[in-house]
Amino acid sequence: AQSVTQLGSHVSVSEGALVLLRCNYSSSVPPYLFWYVQYPNQGLQLLLKYTTGATLVKGINGFEAEFKKSETSFHLTKPSAHMSDAAEYFCAVSDRGVTGGGNKLTFGTGTQLKVEL
Amino acid sequence: DGGITQSPKYLFRKEGQNVTLSCEQNLNHDAMYWYRQDPGQGLRLIYYSQIVNDFQKGDIAEGYSVSREKKESFPLTVTSAQKNPTAFYLCASSIRAGPQSSGNTIYFGEGSWLTVV
Repeated sequence: AQSVTQLGSHVSVSEGALVLLRCNYSSSVPPYLFWYVQYPNQGLQLLLKYTTGATLVKGINGFEAEFKKSETSFHLTKPSAHMSDAAEYFCAVSDRGVTGGGNKLTFGTGTQLKVEL
Repeated sequence: DGGITQSPKYLFRKEGQNVTLSCEQNLNHDAMYWYRQDPGQGLRLIYYSQIVNDFQKGDIAEGYSVSREKKESFPLTVTSAQKNPTAFYLCASSIRAGPQSSGNTIYFGEGSWLTVV
C-alpha cells in the first residue's frame, strides 16, 4: 500500500524567503505525484504533477517540485514567498500500476503555510 | 464556465437524519469521486465512480451511499449510520478512468460543510 508523509504540519516563512514543503512517499513502484493547494473553505487546486519525463516539474504561481527516486521525495519549493501563498498544501500519490481502477489519490495530512511580513 | 458544483455549501443534520450532498460537473468527465476532509487528517476517499451506473467503495464508505444515474451527477447521502459525519466534503472528477488513468488530474469542487446539530 502506498502512503504519503508531509513533514511539518505548519511552516512559517517571511515574505520573499524560500518556501520548502517536504513530501516523502512510500510505494512499491514509483507513483504519480501531485501537489495541490487549498485556500480556506475552498476546494483543492492542482499546483503541479509528475507523471513521466523530466524530474523537475514547474507548476503554477512560481512553484516547482523535484522527483527524487533515490530519496522517495517530491518536495515543493518556491524561491520567493508572497503573502498570497498562505494556504494549505497537500502532497498526493496515485498508483502507477493501477489498471482499471481509476486514479485514486492518497493524500498526505497537509502543511499549512504562513507567510509573514 | 466548466466546473464542478457542490450544494449546499453548508448543511446541518439532526441526529438520526439522512442528508444528501449534491455534486454536478459539466466537464464531460467519466470518473467522479467523494472525499471527506477532517482537520489534520488530509483527504480520505469515500466512494468513486468510473462510469454511469457503477461505483466502488473507497477507504471510508461505511455510513455513506452514492448513485451515478447520470454522467454529470454523483450525489452523496450521509446516512444515520455514519456516527461522526461532521466534516468538509469534497466532490471531484477526472477525465477518464480505466487503465493508465492514474496520472490524470483530479479536479475538485468548492466543498460542502456538514455539521451535526
